[in-house]
Amino acid sequence: AQKITQTQPGMFVQEKEAVTLDCTYDTSDQSYGLFWYKQPSSGEMIFLIYQGSYDEQNATEGRYSLNFQKARKSANLVISASQLGDSAMYFCAMREGEDSNYQLIWGAGTKLIIKP
Amino acid sequence: EPEVTQTPSHQVTQMGQEVILRCVPISNHLYFYWYRQILGQKVEFLVSFYNNEISEKSEIFDDQFSVERPDGSNFTLKIRSTKLEDSAMYFCASSEFLSLSNQPQHFGDGTRLSIL
Repeated sequence: AQKITQTQPGMFVQEKEAVTLDCTYDTSDQSYGLFWYKQPSSGEMIFLIYQGSYDEQNATEGRYSLNFQKARKSANLVISASQLGDSAMYFCAMREGEDSNYQLIWGAGTKLIIKP
Repeated sequence: EPEVTQTPSHQVTQMGQEVILRCVPISNHLYFYWYRQILGQKVEFLVSFYNNEISEKSEIFDDQFSVERPDGSNFTLKIRSTKLEDSAMYFCASSEFLSLSNQPQHFGDGTRLSIL
């Protein structure tokens, strides 16, 4: 079973509109963290935002916010007022369990294209 | 802002040759990672490294792979006898703490490895 599922392989959004990128996860651990990364066409991987499983409030970071619905095991990324520079691949990733678990588990990504 | 630095940005190597990918993690970070991303596919965890030893490794990280921290700043990934299927983007990442689960892994810009 997939640990991280991103159901939208690609999205087109008009500039200045808000966009929601979906991410659902599967874990039996009580403690876990969810991360979103942006990968522009140049290839680098840029950390955007984090949500911890025990965090009571949704994470926000500038124009990025995370719509965390724990019961549904979803952690959707919301980008407000999209800009042309937001065009990129977006990856949802999870780190499970306690401190002994190091790796990030990744989704397949969503390719976001912002139209002028 | 401090960043993870990877060299070279692109490496072209004949099949069967050894290759060393180099990384300089962020200076106060203690945990180091290698991931790879085959073109058009998910990011895959290879290995994590802490206190001069491997903490965790994936099934991909077989005997052909090794990591080393030869001095106080560099962190290297060696592939002893490259295969065509090793062609991928290789990302180095580092993080500050592990005990705080919200510490993101900061990624370098990647090394694109092409095996001929």
